[in-house]
Amino acid sequence: GQQVMQIPQYQHVQEGEDFTTYCNSSTTLSNIQWYKQRPGGHPVFLIQLVKSGEVKKQKRLTFQFGEAKKNSSLHITATQTTDVGTYFCAGRNAGGTSYGKLTFGQGTILTVHP
Amino acid sequence: DAGVTQSPTHLIKTRGQHVTLRCSPISGHKSVSWYQQVLGQGPQFIFQYYEKEERGRGNFPDRFSARQFPNYSSELNVNALLLGDSALYLCASSWDNVLGQYFGPGTRLTVT
Repeated sequence: GQQVMQIPQYQHVQEGEDFTTYCNSSTTLSNIQWYKQRPGGHPVFLIQLVKSGEVKKQKRLTFQFGEAKKNSSLHITATQTTDVGTYFCAGRNAGGTSYGKLTFGQGTILTVHP
Repeated sequence: DAGVTQSPTHLIKTRGQHVTLRCSPISGHKSVSWYQQVLGQGPQFIFQYYEKEERGRGNFPDRFSARQFPNYSSELNVNALLLGDSALYLCASSWDNVLGQYFGPGTRLTVT
């Protein structure tokens, strides 16, 4: 079945440093979504990428979708303490019978030290 | 507008019992998905319903079932509970079955 892997599992940074998490799928994706979950909270939708090679920016966050639509990355510039949380990628398979199925990676836990 | 709501917030059940979890989507959203999240892991997809029809099913046993009602609210049922069913159960809604999803606060289920 489809697998979505994220690295690193943990990342500790000093406030102001950059942060990147990477997401790799075992199968080609129709789209990929990114979510943020604060400790004790629920996942919050950040963005969806659909096109091969797509790059989207949200303030200090930059999201990329690979040319082969099998990998993605999230980069945060100049982290702040408010960026603390777990970042998940989630992908939908291209075609197949489980079109509605969204597969989440295991997440990257970001800690920001002031 | 109200977000996704789920009930109950917490639940303690005994092995072998049955549980029903409820979810109300954001007004206008026609798709509801259910996920199981164990501590330290990403949400695991259980079901997706769109316009009251099942559009996706994850790798969960037949003890898990769900349905979506005409008002787009949804129920997740789990029979013959096992200790391993203890988890946070998340409901998420969206306009359709491909857009980003909006999660509810979840139901924390503990099976003893």
